[in-house]
Amino acid sequence: DGGITQSPKYLFRKEGQNVTLSCEQNLNHDAMYWYRQDPGQGLRLIYYSQIVNDFQKGDIAEGYSVSREKKESFPLTVTSAQKNPTAFYLCASSPFFGNYGYTFGSGTRLTVV
Amino acid sequence: AQTVTQSQPEMSVQEAETVTLSCTYDTSESDYYLFWYKQPPSRQMILVIRQEAYKQQNATENRFSVNFQKAAKSFSLKISDSQLGDAAMYFCAYRSGPGGGGADGLTFGKGTHLIIQP
Repeated sequence: DGGITQSPKYLFRKEGQNVTLSCEQNLNHDAMYWYRQDPGQGLRLIYYSQIVNDFQKGDIAEGYSVSREKKESFPLTVTSAQKNPTAFYLCASSPFFGNYGYTFGSGTRLTVV
Repeated sequence: AQTVTQSQPEMSVQEAETVTLSCTYDTSESDYYLFWYKQPPSRQMILVIRQEAYKQQNATENRFSVNFQKAAKSFSLKISDSQLGDAAMYFCAYRSGPGGGGADGLTFGKGTHLIIQP
């Protein structure tokens, strides 16, 4: 079955460390997205990519980096510059055009220890 | 930039009753899409219903229906015959049409926590 796989489900980071969250999709979707979810804040867009080897900053990109070397993969790195990384991270994908909603992965819970 | 507002942080309804969740949005675009997503305790985001702005007819999916008022920029979700499994966070979301950066990302409201009383 087609879908989006996020890993790991839970991730712990020490102060000063970079960590990478994985997102893989087999839906043949062009666009992929990373959202951060905090209590009472809804979902906020971190980065998005509409095509391979191209990506754009969203509303809260500071302290994060991404790559899009393959259509299927859109990993997110949380760098040490992100001062408050503890949150729930959701990856999503979508066809480029149309009335489609986004298909979401099951999320990664990142905690700073 | 578009904004989406959900004015009800929490709603409670008796099982089998009907509940309406509110959503308003602000945009200068004429072509766009609106969505309601459900996020149960598992935190998986599930698409509930979608509406194209150019369609006057309100979308319906089984017990879920919307009241789309384009001029008022309002997009409420009605859940009929509420069931225990409907308990979740509900998010309203906006997507620009192809001419307005349709692949630039969904804009979400902050959500409404729906409680179902047995």
